[in-house]
Order: sequence, then structure tokens, then C-alpha cells
Amino acid sequence: NAGVTQTPKFQVLKTGQSMTLQCAQDMNHNSMYWYRQDPGMGLRLIYYSASEGTTDKGEVPNGYNVSRLNKREFSLRLESAAPSQTSVYFCASTRQGRGTEAFFGQGTRLTVV
Amino acid sequence: QQQVKQSPQSLIVQKGGIPIINCAYENTAFDYFPWYQQFPGKGPALLIAIRPDVSEKKEGRFTISFNKSAKQFSLHIMDSQPGDSATYFCAATTSGTYKYIFGTGTRLKVLA
Repeated sequence: NAGVTQTPKFQVLKTGQSMTLQCAQDMNHNSMYWYRQDPGMGLRLIYYSASEGTTDKGEVPNGYNVSRLNKREFSLRLESAAPSQTSVYFCASTRQGRGTEAFFGQGTRLTVV
Repeated sequence: QQQVKQSPQSLIVQKGGIPIINCAYENTAFDYFPWYQQFPGKGPALLIAIRPDVSEKKEGRFTISFNKSAKQFSLHIMDSQPGDSATYFCAATTSGTYKYIFGTGTRLKVLA
């Protein structure tokens, strides 16, 4: 049982390049999330998808787009990468219901130079 | 206000000590308060969680204390071990909103 799988694990981009971070979960969860983790800032929500077919902005959505491809997959796209987007990105998923555990992927360490 | 304020930012204790990490929130609509543990190079994983209808929850060496009137909750690690060295995040969420709000994290180091 893989849980939440993110690809790639590491990536270096040049300023202005684009890329898509992939996330897939095999737990039949309805909700999926993208967070970024920066030192001293905790985990900040970029976008989330409450259910298949819906997406909503989180706390720090600027510079990002997302696609909920199907129930399993939720991708994060950087159209024109900036050094400020250097971070560790985590995908997470939760089942619907009251008080639910979030399951996280292993993270993608992105460096924009 | 959606913030969850966590302190301290870092903590060093001797083996066997009892580190305490504190979190405070503003939004009284939050109804689930989990703590996550993160080891270097890994994603956060659920450690223990509490709902506001109880004041304390214990799981093994980990205890959450919850003070609803003060809007504060804390994590206590009894008989801490070097293997507990990790970053700990508190979080809060409201059922049905699908948003998890995380604290800024506490880096704990337990000395052998």
C-alpha cells in the first residue's frame, strides 16, 4: 500500500521554467492538498481539492495552478518558476468526515536558480 | 482568524526529560487538533489528535492537554528518547472545510 506518492523527489529549475509536480494516492480519499514547507513558516496551504472536480485556493496560491485529474491524482504546476518558489512541496490527502488524519507524501525538494 | 501559533521554535532536552510544545488558536470553529511528527527527508505523519470535548488524551508516551477556554493545546512527551528527535507540528481543522491549518513547527532534539 503506497499511500501518497509524489514525483519527482528533487528538481532544480532555472527562473522562468515551468514544471508540474505529480501526486497520486491509493487510499480512495476524496480530498487532496498541496503544501509548501519553508524554514520557520510551517506548512502553508497552496491549493486544495475537496473532491474530484473541485479545486480551491489556499493561503499562498500565487504563481501556482492545480489540476484534479481524477480521484487519485492532483498535480501542481509552476508556469514560470521564481526563486521565491524554492521550497519543499508536500501533497496530502484526507478522507471525508469529521476529524480526519492527513496522509502526506515524501515531498519534492524544488530549487529555482 | 485562521492562525495557529506554536512555540517554542526549537527545544533541546536530555534523554528522559519531558519536552512540552504549545499551540494557541483563535478560531472557535476548529473541532480537531492533531499533532504531526516529521523526520528529516520525510513527510509529516500523524502522532496523536484530540477533539475539544476532552481535556486530555494519552497515547503511549505522548499526551495532548487541551484547554478550550484558553484556546490552547500542548504536546507532552514523557521519558523522551533520542529517537523522538524530529520536528513537531500542531494543526487545527474544522470539519467540512477541508482546510488544515498548521503551526510553524518545533524542532526537538533529545540528547543521549
